Amino acid sequence: GQNIDQPTEMTATEGAIVQINCTYQTSGFNGLFWYQQHAGEAPTFLSYNVLDGLEEKGRFSSFLSRSKGYSYLLLKELQMKDSASYLCAVRDGGFQKLVFGTGTRLLVSP
Amino acid sequence: NAGVMQNPRHLVRRRGQEARLRCSPVKGHSHVYWYRQLPEEGLKFMVYLQKENIIDESGMPKERFSAEFPKEGPSILRIQQVVRGDSAAYFCASSPRGVGETQYFGPGTRLLVL
Repeated sequence: GQNIDQPTEMTATEGAIVQINCTYQTSGFNGLFWYQQHAGEAPTFLSYNVLDGLEEKGRFSSFLSRSKGYSYLLLKELQMKDSASYLCAVRDGGFQKLVFGTGTRLLVSP
Repeated sequence: NAGVMQNPRHLVRRRGQEARLRCSPVKGHSHVYWYRQLPEEGLKFMVYLQKENIIDESGMPKERFSAEFPKEGPSILRIQQVVRGDSAAYFCASSPRGVGETQYFGPGTRLLVL
């Protein structure tokens, strides 16, 4: 089967650091994606990991451990505009389809 | 440099009517994907198309739903005889090629079936 787990909601304070975890069990694996989605808008691509390790891109970093079926998204220096849903998605092996988790709703407060 | 375009953004239909959702991929992208997002649920894959070909329709309901991506023009997701359970946000994504490429999403069409 295919299963992507991530927390439903998280809260954090402006300026802080937050880590959003994602665990996955899929029949195949060909990369893990993180997307940001503001309410009523399109998911926006944030990061892509296919090899183990950390990928850093400005205030956002993403980590992958394939042996553990685990990834996290790290957001630093949080801003109010970072309040959004963060979607973890796995590309399913030889297929191109993305398997999504239900998303983590992050609320950043002043 | 336009991104993925979808129209309409909002669509209201009565039970039994047809819904047609359009998606224009990023210019130069030849691969299109459709996903459905039900309230409080994650995005669920429906179908993957290249120009004039359906590559993977494993997520598409067997009845009432069809998709096409003609040589010219947008990709169309067609839902016949809509039911209330079809109410959802339908997102289209595109990529330049299939293998190994990031998918870029459009703003979605929110379908409401009365």
